[in-house]
Amino acid sequence: DVKVTQSSRYLVKRTGEKVFLECVQDMDHENMFWYRQDPGLGLRLIYFSYDVKMKEKGDIPEGYSVSREKKERFSLILESASTNQTSMYLCASSPDRAYGYTFGSGTRLTVV
Amino acid sequence: KNEVEQSPQNLTAQEGEFITINCSYSVGISALHWLQQHPGGGIVSLFMLSSGKKKHGRLIATINIQEKHSSLHITASHPRDSAVYICAVSRLEGAQKLVFGQGTRLTINP
Repeated sequence: DVKVTQSSRYLVKRTGEKVFLECVQDMDHENMFWYRQDPGLGLRLIYFSYDVKMKEKGDIPEGYSVSREKKERFSLILESASTNQTSMYLCASSPDRAYGYTFGSGTRLTVV
Repeated sequence: KNEVEQSPQNLTAQEGEFITINCSYSVGISALHWLQQHPGGGIVSLFMLSSGKKKHGRLIATINIQEKHSSLHITASHPRDSAVYICAVSRLEGAQKLVFGQGTRLTINP
């Protein structure tokens, strides 16, 4: 089975801190995605990547950046964490448009 | 208007009941996905379909491409089916990214 592993299940950070959320997939998938999930707003795409060192902005990229130096790893960076970035963050990967997606178990980030 | 609409938003039923969750979309798609999320948990992909019908255990998913509509059915529902069910579509054109419905919160009481 494909596995998408997110490094932390729960995280508490202070306002202004630089935060790294890591995601690793083990099936050589080309495409990787970062979403955030908030009550009443559903899942929203922050950034995605379709190849190493390639990245595309999603619907809500402000306040975030990403890094994909290796195919299996896609990192989400909060440059200066703010309380409105308190959310559930989900990573996903997919080999191709014609195939399904595999999601990680999520990181619940609280910014205080 | 959202490109993917689900109904109902919340559904409570008794164990054993037949459950139907609906999804309508307004864009051209290459595939439709049904996802499941248990409280506090990650998301699991249940089905990906582009036509017809798929069945896995007590879960059945159907899609009508002409009407741009899909349904997820659960037969003989059980409390462990309690979760949020999310419909998502892969657009036919443009960047490969999912467009999500708002989800349906299903609660099955024993």
